[in-house]
Amino acid sequence: DAGVIQSPRHEVTEMGQEVTLRCKPISGHNSLFWYRQTMMRGLELLIYFNNNVPIDDSGMPEDRFSAKMPNASFSTLKIQPSEPRDSAVYFCASSRRINDRGPYEQYFGPGTRLTVT
Amino acid sequence: EDQVTQSPEALRLQEGESSSLNCSYTVSGLRGLFWYRQDPGKGPEFLFTLYSAGEEKEKERLKATLTKKESFLHITAPKPEDSATYLCAVRGGRGSYIPTFGRGTSLIVHP
Repeated sequence: DAGVIQSPRHEVTEMGQEVTLRCKPISGHNSLFWYRQTMMRGLELLIYFNNNVPIDDSGMPEDRFSAKMPNASFSTLKIQPSEPRDSAVYFCASSRRINDRGPYEQYFGPGTRLTVT
Repeated sequence: EDQVTQSPEALRLQEGESSSLNCSYTVSGLRGLFWYRQDPGKGPEFLFTLYSAGEEKEKERLKATLTKKESFLHITAPKPEDSATYLCAVRGGRGSYIPTFGRGTSLIVHP
């Protein structure tokens, strides 16, 4: 298996521009997570999908952030408009379906390093 | 609310100098404790899952153990290639079942 695929690997954009990050989870995994990692705050969960449905988006910082999962093999995280404080590494992770019989480990993609100037 | 605290924040070892990393946690109904390794510029890589107190798992020079309050990642005779950040996460049995991550321990092994 190719593992979790993310694109682009690096993104440099100017403040105010729209940014779209993409993720292809591991085939057969029903749960997908978007994380943001910074030195200051560590790994933060932004949103979690189960069977393509957003279950918990309480970590999404504000309305500028949105995420979609139109099918089991694709998800996007969009920031519009972007701000310098959004600069971070964004990870996508997938796992088998989380239920009360869990726990199911997560498999992370290589990340997208976003720089907003 | 589930909480995970890892210590130390950073650790420097000489090659061959064994040591342990700590992960202290509070969780309602532990469903799993996970260890991940993260190399610079890469995503976290899954190492182990521990389910219950007393459980141990090993992989090469790494051995993970679990009690009711904490987990240790023991590194025996480390090599420079073991240098990485090690992350611990726990998943409880209530709420949304989403794992809670610690801040990690940055390990550097000098040749």
